[in-house]
Amino acid sequence: NAGVTQTPKFQVLKTGQSMTLQCAQDMNHNSMYWYRQDPGMGLRLIYYSASEGTTDKGEVPNGYNVSRLNKREFSLRLESAAPSQTSVYFCASSEREGYLNTEAFFGQGTRLTVV
Amino acid sequence: ELKVEQNPLFLSMQEGKNYTIYCNYSTTSDRLYWYRQDPGKSLESLFVLLSNGAVKQEGRLMASLDTKARLSTLHITAAVHDLSATYFCAVHTSGTYKYIFGTGTRLKVLA
Repeated sequence: NAGVTQTPKFQVLKTGQSMTLQCAQDMNHNSMYWYRQDPGMGLRLIYYSASEGTTDKGEVPNGYNVSRLNKREFSLRLESAAPSQTSVYFCASSEREGYLNTEAFFGQGTRLTVV
Repeated sequence: ELKVEQNPLFLSMQEGKNYTIYCNYSTTSDRLYWYRQDPGKSLESLFVLLSNGAVKQEGRLMASLDTKARLSTLHITAAVHDLSATYFCAVHTSGTYKYIFGTGTRLKVLA
């Protein structure tokens, strides 16, 4: 079972370049998330999508945009990469149970370095 | 704003010993989750705690939830090397559809 698939796994960008991180899930989940993980900071929520057609800002949205392309796919775009965006990025998905969610399932992560 | 704090941040322990990781959160939460992350890997779900007084156990790990104290604990019994990993708690509040994570506890079990 694929679960949550992220591409690419590794990426090096130059400051000012743009790129899109792709995420797809095959579990028919309604909710999808983008987190970044930095040493000593835990996981911080960038954006999330509670359902197809909706997106909301998380704790650290500045410098990022997202698109919920369909129920399966949720992409994260860096328009003008900065060294502060060097991080490991995780996509996750979960199912909704009324006003609550089940546990989140995570992709393998994208290690991004901005030089 | 919901904040989640874990302590300790780092924990080095001998095999066979017991220890507890604490997760405090700042506002009312409806569900609490524990995850494990091995170095360079993704996060794996360990426990989902749904209500006050909930207790779940899997092998040498036991998680509990006290919603009145806004506290969850992850207790490790007779630690073994294979438990070395980073453990995260995360909280979730009804209607928000998002998870807020703690900073993580890096556990190292020494032989």
